[in-house]
Amino acid sequence: EDQVTQSPEALRLQEGESSSLNCSYTVSGLRGLFWYRQDPGKGPEFLFTLYSAGEEKEKERLKATLTKKESFLHITAPKPEDSATYLCAVQGNTDKLIFGTGTRLQVFP
Amino acid sequence: EPEVTQTPSHQVTQMGQEVILRCVPISNHLYFYWYRQILGQKVEFLVSFYNNEISEKSEIFDDQFSVERPDGSNFTLKIRSTKLEDSAMYFCASSGEASSYEQYFGPGTRLTVT
Repeated sequence: EDQVTQSPEALRLQEGESSSLNCSYTVSGLRGLFWYRQDPGKGPEFLFTLYSAGEEKEKERLKATLTKKESFLHITAPKPEDSATYLCAVQGNTDKLIFGTGTRLQVFP
Repeated sequence: EPEVTQTPSHQVTQMGQEVILRCVPISNHLYFYWYRQILGQKVEFLVSFYNNEISEKSEIFDDQFSVERPDGSNFTLKIRSTKLEDSAMYFCASSGEASSYEQYFGPGTRLTVT
């Protein structure tokens, strides 16, 4: 069964304190792994797509990496505005995205 | 920047009533989706739609649910007889030329069934 597990469930960081979020997955025929940001009461906001092991993508303070079993979202020198829930999703042999439960990130000044 | 829009933002209905949730996908996208998120839980796939027909649906998407693209811009989700457990955020999403491209989500409709 296709599955996505994210850790930690919650993370509190001081502004400027870098860290990483983990997404481990099992899927039949990975077509893509997606990272989204979700603010409370809002829809998921697309961040990155990774298609193959070894691939890396960067956007401002965020960097996503992919291996055959997991993906990491590295946050460098975070700011309070980076506070949100970060969702990982995979797409296997079908069109649907399978989401993890997310990591709730709080960055305080 | 193009975005997916959804109406209404909040819908309150009584159990057993029909509701229609509306979405306007990004204009040049070809693949359309509905997902839902029960409060505090993960985002769950409901249905995908391509070329005017359902391409995939989940176990949640039973006979009470239907989707339609009534014209060139709107995409709707209908729940025929709502249940208390249908209370959730419903998100519409669309993707571009291939279904393996990123899916862009709308802001959601919060459905409350009383």
